Amino acid sequence: EADIYQTPRYLVIGTGKKITLECSQTMGHDKMYWYQQDPGMELHLIHYSYGVNSTEKGDLSSESTVSRIRTEHFPLTLESARPSHTSQYLCASSPTPTGDEQFFGPGTRLTVL
Amino acid sequence: AQSVTQPDIHITVSEGASLELRCNYSYGATPYLFWYVQSPGQGLQLLLKYFSGDTLVQGIKGFEAEFKRSQSSFNLRKPSVHWSDAAEYFCAVFSSGSARQLTFGSGTQLTVLP
Repeated sequence: EADIYQTPRYLVIGTGKKITLECSQTMGHDKMYWYQQDPGMELHLIHYSYGVNSTEKGDLSSESTVSRIRTEHFPLTLESARPSHTSQYLCASSPTPTGDEQFFGPGTRLTVL
Repeated sequence: AQSVTQPDIHITVSEGASLELRCNYSYGATPYLFWYVQSPGQGLQLLLKYFSGDTLVQGIKGFEAEFKRSQSSFNLRKPSVHWSDAAEYFCAVFSSGSARQLTFGSGTQLTVLP
């Protein structure tokens, strides 16, 4: 089972600020994912990566960007936060070739005032 | 495109009672199916998965699920619910096509009464 860490766990920030949500995993998984989850709703894939220097956008359009410079690290950045970005952001990684089985971090709950 | 429907938004059961959470999927090929549980303020934990073979799969924490192709269902069951099972439960289907991603249902919130 993967150990996946997300920081911060909670973040309250003002409109217009630049923020970076951190995600790290210690198991050497090539595949990593970012999901957005509104309260009481399903998860929506916003970004994924199949390895270093590989990033793709998911189904849900997002103004955030990601980078994958190291295998264990997959940060998500919002250049200018807005209230519409208020949500929970979940990071996941997968050890399988297809990415079917995913292990999730505890999430970051972001509130933009 | 694949989709997952969890018809029950909220279910309440008494501790010790049996539980069944419903999940219906739409997917053209043989699906990879998952159940995840999410406790308040936490990420998702994998309960069980179905890829192929025996249609009744066992998971952690005493949960099981049955794949029924004819009904496009993958319902989650537990014979005796514990107070610690109160959480949100998500069913998911994995697309093995070009998209290769998990699609989640909207979740079922489980409340357990003492």
